[in-house]
Amino acid sequence: NAGVTQTPKFQVLKTGQSMTLQCAQDMNHNSMYWYRQDPGMGLRLIYYSASEGTTDKGEVPNGYNVSRLNKREFSLRLESAAPSQTSVYFCASKPQERKGVGEAFFGQGTRLTVV
Amino acid sequence: AQRVTQPEKLLSVFKGAPVELKCNYSYSGSPELFWYVQYSRQRLQLLLRHISRESIKGFTADLNKGETSFHLKKPFAQEEDSAMYYCALTSNSGYALNFGKGTSLLVTP
Repeated sequence: NAGVTQTPKFQVLKTGQSMTLQCAQDMNHNSMYWYRQDPGMGLRLIYYSASEGTTDKGEVPNGYNVSRLNKREFSLRLESAAPSQTSVYFCASKPQERKGVGEAFFGQGTRLTVV
Repeated sequence: AQRVTQPEKLLSVFKGAPVELKCNYSYSGSPELFWYVQYSRQRLQLLLRHISRESIKGFTADLNKGETSFHLKKPFAQEEDSAMYYCALTSNSGYALNFGKGTSLLVTP
């Protein structure tokens, strides 16, 4: 069972470079999420997709774009990376259960450093 | 806006001592609340959810709507409980899932 798979696991970018973080889930979940994890800040929601074809901003969307390519895949793009975007990025997916009580499953994370 | 507050960044207890990790929330509707745990070098995973009223690994959490709290408790902490604990909230719509800043629990022998 692959669950939620993120690529790459590690990445170093120069300021101003662009890149796309990939996420795929094989659990047929409707909802998918992107978070960043920073020391002392916990997990902050960047964007989420309630279902295929829809995306919404979370708490910290600036500097990011997302694409829900299909039900399985949800990518996060940094158009012009900045040192402030150095973080560990997590993708998650969640089934569409009554009142949102479904369990979220997380990827292993992508450690991104912007120099 | 929905918000989750975990006031303690770090909580250190001795093995066998009771532990309580605090979580307060702000949300105008009826939220669904969760505790997630991240053990060292492992993925973040669900520990328990309030709707299930379950006890997992000896942990329980009770939703107190009056105090808008969902504190996580365990009567006797074990060393293997050392981990990062996150309280999370999802709205009535069931889509956005927001986390607190997390509490690092350290259980020492």
